Amino acid sequence: SQELEQSPQSLIVQEGKNLTINCTSSKTLYGLYWYKQKYGEGLIFLMMLQKGGEEKSHEKITAKLDEKKQQSSLHITASQPSHAGIYLCGAARTSGSRLTFGEGTQLTVNP
Amino acid sequence: DGGITQSPKYLFRKEGQNVTLSCEQNLNHDAMYWYRQDPGQGLRLIYYSQIVNDFQKGDIAEGYSVSREKKESFPLTVTSAQKNPTAFYLCASGDSYNSPLHFGNGTRLTVT
Repeated sequence: SQELEQSPQSLIVQEGKNLTINCTSSKTLYGLYWYKQKYGEGLIFLMMLQKGGEEKSHEKITAKLDEKKQQSSLHITASQPSHAGIYLCGAARTSGSRLTFGEGTQLTVNP
Repeated sequence: DGGITQSPKYLFRKEGQNVTLSCEQNLNHDAMYWYRQDPGQGLRLIYYSQIVNDFQKGDIAEGYSVSREKKESFPLTVTSAQKNPTAFYLCASGDSYNSPLHFGNGTRLTVT
């Protein structure tokens, strides 16, 4: 079974719309990482969250980690075609442990 | 520019043949990882190495082998024992515990 559940699996939005992707674990996480991937390419690091309640933003993307450190959300404001791709969350269960990844969310942004 | 280089980008092999995927990094990272990505299954860890001359099995190591003779290099061999080798393979490296991983651009392996 997957340790990290991502939802939705796919998302199609109109350019300019806001959207949210979720990543949920049944267990407390040590660290949560968000990555973006273009099809057939490597993963690009977006943000890392470690503290309960932490929130980080970069340009139009905001990521939050809940107080219990079991759920994270990635929010994109005023989406653009350049935001299209696969978004993956990765998590470490303890300090120094290897990352496990969710199945990814395929985002399509229509002009 | 520092980064991780995977080669080749596309690889085709006949069933029953072993094949080696290359991964080189010039980031001076201690740890290196191999992941396999299949549609709808996210990334699954094959092998990882936290120091030269040492490596550990990940979640799906059967049918694969690795070596870590140099800090910069972590080649992955897909053996004929791997029952379903066709996939997208990603190599990653990291410089310390809890730091983000850096990924290469992947190798797409097709076995027929």
